[in-house]
Amino acid sequence: DIQMTQSPSSLSASVGDRVTITCRASQGISNFVAWFQQKPGKAPKSLIYGSSTLRSGVPSRFTGSGSGTDFTLIINSLQPEDFASYYCQQYKTYPWTFGQGTKVAIK
Amino acid sequence: QVQLEQSGAEVKMPGASVHVSCKASGYTFTDYYIHWVRQAPGQGLEWMGWINPSSGATLYAQKFQSRVTVTRDATIRTASMQLNRLASGDTAVYYCARTTYDLLTGFYLDSWGQGTLVTVSS
Repeated sequence: DIQMTQSPSSLSASVGDRVTITCRASQGISNFVAWFQQKPGKAPKSLIYGSSTLRSGVPSRFTGSGSGTDFTLIINSLQPEDFASYYCQQYKTYPWTFGQGTKVAIK
Repeated sequence: QVQLEQSGAEVKMPGASVHVSCKASGYTFTDYYIHWVRQAPGQGLEWMGWINPSSGATLYAQKFQSRVTVTRDATIRTASMQLNRLASGDTAVYYCARTTYDLLTGFYLDSWGQGTLVTVSS
């Protein structure tokens, strides 16, 4: 199985900050990476697919990048509604696998 | 709009089976695969498998291969997941999710159900 190693597991940030979350795949997966946001008690919400393509309706302050084994999610100018957990996921090979998640908390 | 409506919370004894349903609306049910993903309390996401609602073909993660069955009834636009021989480690929120196809990057998860909490306890 492909392991997705996500870091950090948690971080504290303030409104307006720039936040960077990284994800490393245990083998090359081209750009078959998605990012999800999840708030407590809610289902995950799709943010990005194909490593860098923003889903319709997702604010442009979210940016995804990377190819091969290293991927990044950047949130520019963090907003109050962005405090949540974020997960990367590879969909290159079955079984699909997720990173362990990053919890973004208010500083 | 796309909606996936899941059945309600379940409490099961160890060794029992659970059946979770996922009713789709807002799109052509047979055009999009349905996947199942679970999340144990305070933990991350774990992919379980998918069903092609058009053909009924399925693919499961090896971890669940011997215990899970995913079916569909296209007449009522519903996919269902049955997990057998439950243990305490199966306590989790179970999600159904739809995949959409992108020409450049293949199938990806785009819409999710609200989740169904399954508690396994004696």
